[in-house]
Parts: sequence; C-alpha cells; structure tokens
Amino acid sequence: RKEVEQDPGPFNVPEGATVAFNCTYSNSASQSFFWYRQDCRKEPKLLMSVYSSGNEDGRFTAQLNRASQYISLLIRDSKLSDSATYLCVSRGGSQGNLIFGKGTKLSVKP
Amino acid sequence: EAGVAQSPRYKIIEKRQSVAFWCNPISGHATLYWYQQILGQGPKLLIQFQNNGVVDDSQLPKDRFSAERLKGVDSTLKIQPAKLEDSAVYLCASSLVWGQSYSGANVLTFGAGSRLTVL
Repeated sequence: RKEVEQDPGPFNVPEGATVAFNCTYSNSASQSFFWYRQDCRKEPKLLMSVYSSGNEDGRFTAQLNRASQYISLLIRDSKLSDSATYLCVSRGGSQGNLIFGKGTKLSVKP
Repeated sequence: EAGVAQSPRYKIIEKRQSVAFWCNPISGHATLYWYQQILGQGPKLLIQFQNNGVVDDSQLPKDRFSAERLKGVDSTLKIQPAKLEDSAVYLCASSLVWGQSYSGANVLTFGAGSRLTVL
C-alpha cells in the first residue's frame, strides 16, 4: 500500500460547483498534513496545513479523520482559477519528511 | 522576500551524459530538499540537507546521483551518467526548520524546478 493515495481524477466540474477530494495515508504516526496546489508546469505551492481535525480558509475546507486515516479537501463555489492538480502530503517517515501523493487533477469549466 | 532560485530551467542531454542543477534557497532557511517529479507523479524526496549536513538521502540513487551543500547555503545536484528514466523535473525546496512544527516554520517553499529530458 502506498504511503499517500489519491484519486488521480480528473474531476471535471462546472463553475460554482462544490467538489471534494479524499486522500488516504498509511503511516498512523503521521502528525501533520498539507494540501499543495500545482498548476500545469509550475512548482507546488502550499494551499493549507492540517494539524488537528481540520482547517478552513475561505472556500477551502480540509478535514482530518485519524481513525480512518484520511484527509479531505472541499472546495466550494469553484472558480475557473481553481483548475490545478491538488497534492495531498503527509509528514511521516523516519525523518518526518513530507510524503506526496500523486495528486488529483481538477478542471473547472465555464 | 526572494524565493528559491534554480537553474537551469531546462536541460536536454543524451543518455550517459552528465548534468548538474543548482539551487539557492530562501535566505535564512537551514533546510534544503531536492525532489524528483516524474510526469504524472507526486514529488519524491531525493535528499535533505540541514545546513551543510545530510539528513536523509535514503532514496538517492547514489551510483549516479550526488548532491552537496558545502557552505550550508546553495546546493548542486549532479547526475552522472544519466539514464532515460531520469527525465523529470528536479525541484529544490527550502524551509526554515524541519520536523514537526505547528508554527508553519517547517512549510516547504519550492523553486520553479529544472526540467530534464534525457534522449
């Protein structure tokens, strides 16, 4: 089982829609999690940090379920500019390094 | 605040040739990372430095890859000889600290990456 698993998508949604991505992690000792956004041919950029049960920032909500070992990202009122790949990240491993999932591609259509 | 600088942005070489990538992290960031991102995959850690010491290089193919951060600031990643499967984007990232932190000081900032094509 991979350390961080995500549905690769693509998720094709209309503007204004609500969309949710799930991500599962295998290391039960992981303490913190992140969602990074990566635009096509660009570097990953931090979207949100998730340290406890969840985090909310405007239209974006991240939730952590430690019992089931998954993290979710909810995007409300999708914008065209939300089109990107969303990378789920777990801080784990022997050195506490970041483990990236393969990413979930989102395409928001007019 | 200046970001993480990387060069070159693009490099095309033939297999068995060598290539080197350079990274200058954000000023004051003690921790520097090199990641490899193959198309369609998430970034994979190759090596992590804390100042000029190696913290983790467990996934670095040491028969062909090497990296150094001699003065604890900028870093170079070298591949010699290159293989076709080394075609990827090589991302450098830095953070103020590493390990668990709830202050955001351990958040990674990435450079724009160096895109390598091996023919």
